[in-house]
Amino acid sequence: QITLKESGPTLVKSTQTLTLTCTFSGFSLTTNGVGVGWIRQPPGKALEWLALIYWDDDKRHSPSLESRLTITKDTSKKQVVLTMTNMDPVDTATYYCAQWVAGFFGSWGQGTLVNVSS
Amino acid sequence: DIQMTQSPSTLSASVGDRVTITCRASQTISFFLAWYQQKPGKAPKLLLYKASSLHSGAPSRFSGSGSGTEFTLTISSLQPDDFATYYCHQYNSFPYTFGQGTKLEIK
Repeated sequence: QITLKESGPTLVKSTQTLTLTCTFSGFSLTTNGVGVGWIRQPPGKALEWLALIYWDDDKRHSPSLESRLTITKDTSKKQVVLTMTNMDPVDTATYYCAQWVAGFFGSWGQGTLVNVSS
Repeated sequence: DIQMTQSPSTLSASVGDRVTITCRASQTISFFLAWYQQKPGKAPKLLLYKASSLHSGAPSRFSGSGSGTEFTLTISSLQPDDFATYYCHQYNSFPYTFGQGTKLEIK
């Protein structure tokens, strides 16, 4: 059974850096063709893809946020970490991590709501 | 970026109805399209990938079609559990993009 769970602060202040951790089980990030992605959803709004890390450590980022995002993995801990710098109230959202397989996101974490205060 | 446009934004229907949701891409994405279902306060769930392939565990009343720029999600006979918001997602090229969502409501 594949599970993912996001963890991190629920409240950050403007200009601070957000660090979120995705802890997963049921698959390995050393397996060819597997990745973990981050997607966010502002309250009442649509989904927005943020970043993706592959089994081979290749990475992709949303161009609109690329300068603020860093994604890394620790395969032994089965964790993927997303950092986002210079947080702003518009970054208030539920942040999801999800298993990536062949392009789509097959299994998702429950999400973590991050509020950004000014 | 490839823009994904869903229609309608809101759809009112009754149990037993057949419903169709459309997703249009601003440029061709071949068949690299997925559909997700999301209920309030919950994470999205994958329903279909590669435009028409049913994800393991998704009910067979869900089906998808299309290629290129126009895609549809069809629910053959609405069940009470199907009232939710549906999102399309293109993974043909980066940045990945999602549609704005279609909220399926009870009539």
